[in-house]
Amino acid sequence: DAGVIQSPRHEVTEMGQEVTLRCKPISGHNSLFWYRQTMMRGLELLIYFNNNVPIDDSGMPEDRFSAKMPNASFSTLKIQPSEPRDSAVYFCASSSGITGSYEQYFGPGTRLTVT
Amino acid sequence: AQKITQTQPGMFVQEKEAVTLDCTYDTSDQSYGLFWYKQPSSGEMIFLIYQGSYDEQNATEGRYSLNFQKARKSANLVISASQLGDSAMYFCAMRTNNAGNMLTFGGGTRLMVKP
Repeated sequence: DAGVIQSPRHEVTEMGQEVTLRCKPISGHNSLFWYRQTMMRGLELLIYFNNNVPIDDSGMPEDRFSAKMPNASFSTLKIQPSEPRDSAVYFCASSSGITGSYEQYFGPGTRLTVT
Repeated sequence: AQKITQTQPGMFVQEKEAVTLDCTYDTSDQSYGLFWYKQPSSGEMIFLIYQGSYDEQNATEGRYSLNFQKARKSANLVISASQLGDSAMYFCAMRTNNAGNMLTFGGGTRLMVKP
């Protein structure tokens, strides 16, 4: 089975530009998570969806960040306008409750650099 | 509130020896799950092992085992017969029923295996 798919793998953009990160969760998983990882702050949960509905977005840094999940197989994280401090690795993860443990499976991440 | 503490920022272990990575947690929930993830230098987050709060046996997955001491609120990861490929960051994480499917991560421990 394919794992979580993220695109692009690397993104370099200039300050002020719009950035869209994409994620395809594992088929059959009903929860999807967006994380950001930096050296300074570690791994931070930005937002998570359950059955395509945003459940907790308290980790979204500010209004420049938005996330959508229009269907069970696709989610986007958008930053508009981007700033240098947004430079980080952004992970998408998905999980299901079938096993009872709810372990999350991570995508390979998108390394974002804002200059 | 949930909290995960990993007190060892970095550790060395000799190849073929066993190593224990510490993790303590804090929660008032009675039902929770504990996870360990590995992040090699390539950046992906790899799920290793899971322990449920009601599981009576310590979890094992190949060379990985989880030393779960509920009264002490600790969930240490034991890696037996270390290999060079075990060099990576290791993250402990917790999920509680009251927090839905969200994971709270510790700050990580960098393990370096010496030949």
